[in-house]
Amino acid sequence: AQKVTQAQTEISVVEKEDVTLDCVYETRDTTYYLFWYKQPPSGELVFLIRRNSFDEQNEISGRYSWNFQKSTSSFNFTITASQVVDSAVYFCALSEALSNTGKLIFGQGTTLQVKP
Amino acid sequence: EAGVVQSPRYKIIEKKQPVAFWCNPISGHNTLYWYRQNLGQGPELLIRYENEEAVDDSQLPKDRFSAERLKGVDSTLKIQPAELGDSAVYLCASSLLPRGTEAFFGQGTRLTVV
Repeated sequence: AQKVTQAQTEISVVEKEDVTLDCVYETRDTTYYLFWYKQPPSGELVFLIRRNSFDEQNEISGRYSWNFQKSTSSFNFTITASQVVDSAVYFCALSEALSNTGKLIFGQGTTLQVKP
Repeated sequence: EAGVVQSPRYKIIEKKQPVAFWCNPISGHNTLYWYRQNLGQGPELLIRYENEEAVDDSQLPKDRFSAERLKGVDSTLKIQPAELGDSAVYLCASSLLPRGTEAFFGQGTRLTVV
């Protein structure tokens, strides 16, 4: 069965600290896609990144970086030098290619609070 | 380019009343999704459209929920009659085929049933 687990419910850091959000997934598919979305207080889910299961290269985009490890079924997200504007709920999600639906299976989300 | 537009943003209704939500996806996006997000949870898929066809509605409570996507563009999700447990945020998203592309979400409609 497919499942996404974000064990950290809430994280609070002080501005400029680095923070890592954990994501562990379960799937029987060999081909799948992993996503991170940000949900600010305004409510919309903002797409951050998509990785496919064949691409284990880590990715960096500005202060954001992602670490994908198939061996541990993890897709962790790190924010370097956090800012108050990073405060939001962050969701990790999985989409299985075999089911061919595009359906996103979300974790429960991690609420990040960055204090000035 | 305009994003996914949803209306209304907020809706408060009494139980047993009907309610409808509207979604206008990103222009050219074939696939449209309706998700429901309960408080403190991640979104869960209710229904997926490819063009005007509902291709996955297995999670839609069909006794009270209905949806349509006329002409493969705008979509409406309806609840009749609403129950207290339907209080949630209803999110619309759209994406391009093929599968695996990112979905873009609207701001959602926050429904409160009293």
